[in-house]
Amino acid sequence: AQSVTQLDSHVSVSEGTPVLLRCNYSSSYSPSLFWYVQHPNKGPQLLLKYTSAATLVKGINGFEAEFKKSETSFHLTKPSAHMSDAAEYFCVVTPSFYNQGGKLIFGQGTELSVKP
Amino acid sequence: DAGVIQSPRHEVTEMGQEVTLRCKPISGHDYLFWYRQTMMRGLELLIYFNNNVPIDDSGMPEDRFSAKMPNASFSTLKIQPSEPRDSAVYFCASRRAVSTEQYFGPGTRLTVT
Repeated sequence: AQSVTQLDSHVSVSEGTPVLLRCNYSSSYSPSLFWYVQHPNKGPQLLLKYTSAATLVKGINGFEAEFKKSETSFHLTKPSAHMSDAAEYFCVVTPSFYNQGGKLIFGQGTELSVKP
Repeated sequence: DAGVIQSPRHEVTEMGQEVTLRCKPISGHDYLFWYRQTMMRGLELLIYFNNNVPIDDSGMPEDRFSAKMPNASFSTLKIQPSEPRDSAVYFCASRRAVSTEQYFGPGTRLTVT
């Protein structure tokens, strides 16, 4: 079975400092992995996705993530946090795309706080 | 493009009442998903449809929950009878067959008293 584990339920950074949100995955084959962001009272929005192409994936708003098979990790980073980055972030895996309809399995989420 | 549309945005009802949540997916999208989000359980997939046909309803909590998709532009999630533990935010999402990206609606916040 496929699953993701987000290692931190809450991360707090100061504006202008780097962001690191950690995610480990479990999969019996090369998975498709995503990061979604959810702002208050909104639905989740795709931030970036990895689908077995380049291991370093760039997303919106300056975020990027690196797929490391040897470490089964897919950590999300950003060089410099902005106040508008404060939100809930979800690491997501999808089972075999062609057999499961591309349904998403969400991690428990990491709440990112950004201090002025 | 208006995105995924959900109604109502908020619903407050008493235990035992029937609740119907509505979703209009993005035009041209072949898949439709219903999710539930709670503090305790996070985001859970309830059911999904492909070309209006239910494919996997293994996430539906119990027989009180039912979902339909009578046509490509409309789906409902019904709870009958509702219970306080059904209180949650319910999201609808859709995607094209050739894409992995799901587009989420703004959600319906359900409170059952």
